[in-house]
Amino acid sequence: NAGVTQTPKFQVLKTGQSMTLQCAQDMNHNSMYWYRQDPGMGLRLIYYSASEGTTDKGEVPNGYNVSRLNKREFSLRLESAAPSQTSVYFCASSESGLNSPLHFGNGTRLTVT
Amino acid sequence: GQSLEQPSEVTAVEGAIVQINCTYQTSGFYGLSWYQQHDGGAPTFLSYNALDGLEETGRFSSFLSRSDSYGYLLLQELQMKDSASYFCGSGQAGTALIFGKGTTLSVSS
Repeated sequence: NAGVTQTPKFQVLKTGQSMTLQCAQDMNHNSMYWYRQDPGMGLRLIYYSASEGTTDKGEVPNGYNVSRLNKREFSLRLESAAPSQTSVYFCASSESGLNSPLHFGNGTRLTVT
Repeated sequence: GQSLEQPSEVTAVEGAIVQINCTYQTSGFYGLSWYQQHDGGAPTFLSYNALDGLEETGRFSSFLSRSDSYGYLLLQELQMKDSASYFCGSGQAGTALIFGKGTTLSVSS
């Protein structure tokens, strides 16, 4: 049982390049999330998908787009990377609702130069 | 809007008890959750309080007072492996979890 799988684990981009972070879960969860983590800033919500077919902005959505491809997969796209997007990105999933525990992936460490 | 405040650092010794506080401002509050994260790895769920009172899970307990917009995580019989970051989180019904900035707990021998 893999849980939440994120790819890639590490990535280095140049300013202006684009890339897509992939996330897949095998727990049949309805809800999926993208967070970023920066030193001293905790986990900040970028976008979430409460159920297949829906996506909503979180605290820090600017510069990002998301796609809920199907129930299993939720991708995060950076169209034109900026150094301020250097961060660790975590994907998470939950059954549904705020009373359901989040299950996190191991993160993608992104550096934008 | 939502905001959660927690101390940035807490230190303690093995075998001790430590309390990590969390105060929140959340309209439409829907419970308080706690997560643990070791060395930048994947955060893991510890507890969830929907109602006032104490929830106990082994050495860890979590408390919520909705009237005071306050909760805490209590760790007993501290072990070195409890050295980690701890995050409180809450949200409005129908939305997603928002976290505080985290508390780094350092346990020494």
